Amino acid sequence: GENVEQHPSTLSVQEGDSAVIKCTYSDSASNYFPWYKQELGKGPQLIIDIRSNVGEKKDQRIAVTLNKTAKHFSLHITETQPEDSAVYFCAASMRSGYSTLTFGKGTMLLVSP
Amino acid sequence: GAVVSQHPSWVICKSGTSVKIECRSLDFQATTMFWYRQFPKQSLMLMATSNEGSKATYEQGVEKDKFLINHASLTLSTLTVTSAHPEDSSFYICSARDDMQENGYTFGSGTRLTVV
Repeated sequence: GENVEQHPSTLSVQEGDSAVIKCTYSDSASNYFPWYKQELGKGPQLIIDIRSNVGEKKDQRIAVTLNKTAKHFSLHITETQPEDSAVYFCAASMRSGYSTLTFGKGTMLLVSP
Repeated sequence: GAVVSQHPSWVICKSGTSVKIECRSLDFQATTMFWYRQFPKQSLMLMATSNEGSKATYEQGVEKDKFLINHASLTLSTLTVTSAHPEDSSFYICSARDDMQENGYTFGSGTRLTVV
């Protein structure tokens, strides 16, 4: 089955700096890669996703890049703000009617004012 | 956007009792829903995949008689923790996949279960 590795497990940055979280996946059949933000005591919220036919996607301060050959994808947050502090999870899934999401172990991002 | 409503958000129950958690897709149909369990500072662990009108598929190591799943309609799945014990205390999260969207997963807000 699919295995998703995520690094780093914790990341501390100063407000205004950029943050990068990296994930690798094992199954070349995976073709959907979402990123979720989870605040304490809440469910995960989708912040951005990318499909395998695209190499990069951007939404304001958030961007995701995908390298299919190397089987890794990354989340980039620019101009970080204290409210970006949360746990971020990457995930991978295959295109099929019964596919499930395989999650990374999460990255706790702390943005200090 | 797609919304999944999960209730209750928290519940405290006595050992030996059963607790039911509901997961509803509010503005889309979901033939498939997923139930996760999350321990503190850990990732989401898939417990089971719930399919409308059929039996749920449980992940290895998850007791199907303890975690009863019912998916009777295209917008509602329930998870019942039977004969709960303190070790069942955890954060339970559901997710629904939109039938009309490829890879359209939406998560509920989670349920904090505490068994005393």
